[in-house]
Amino acid sequence: QVQLQESGPGLVKPSETLSLTCIVSGGSISSSYWSWIRQPPGKGLEWIGYLYYSERTIYNPSLKSRVTISGDTSKNQFSLKLSSVTAADTAAYYCARDGDTALGYFDYWGQGILVTVSS
Amino acid sequence: DIQMTQSPSSLSASVGDRVTITCRASQTISSFLNWYQQKSGTAPKLLIYAASSLQSGVPSRFSGSGSGTDFTLTISSLQPEDFATYFCQQSYSTPLTFGPGTKVDI
Repeated sequence: QVQLQESGPGLVKPSETLSLTCIVSGGSISSSYWSWIRQPPGKGLEWIGYLYYSERTIYNPSLKSRVTISGDTSKNQFSLKLSSVTAADTAAYYCARDGDTALGYFDYWGQGILVTVSS
Repeated sequence: DIQMTQSPSSLSASVGDRVTITCRASQTISSFLNWYQQKSGTAPKLLIYAASSLQSGVPSRFSGSGSGTDFTLTISSLQPEDFATYFCQQSYSTPLTFGPGTKVDI
């Protein structure tokens, strides 16, 4: 059974960098694709990007200039950094696994972490 | 980017009702369409992948159909635990995109 767990600060100041980590158990980040997805309160889901083959990435163009996703195979975890945050980046952030890289669906999700951007 | 729309945005139904939710893509996505259920305060749960394949452990009252640009999620007999918000997601091309959601309530 694959399990994912997000961790990081729940409050970030405007203009600073949001940093989150997803710890993976029951599966290896060296296989499959691993995504970050966010959801502003009361709104829909936005795919941020994914990590594959432990170090390669594809980002959503809408966030590409501010996003970095990286992996640490020794700890079997991957991370999200989002720079220059504003209130619009306030959201629940989820990490998720792509269950089939050819079909692109998310079969395992973390519980999510709410990040509020506020001074 | 491929835009996803859903209809209706919300619906009221009763236990035992047959419920149908529609998802439309702004361009053809073949069968690269997935459905999720989300209950308040929890992560989305995968129900259907590749338009019509039922995820393991998901009750058979859930079914999906469609290809190209138009897709449907059907709940054959609504149960109390099915009251939630449902999202479609295309996986045809990046950026991966989701529909705005359909809230099913009493």
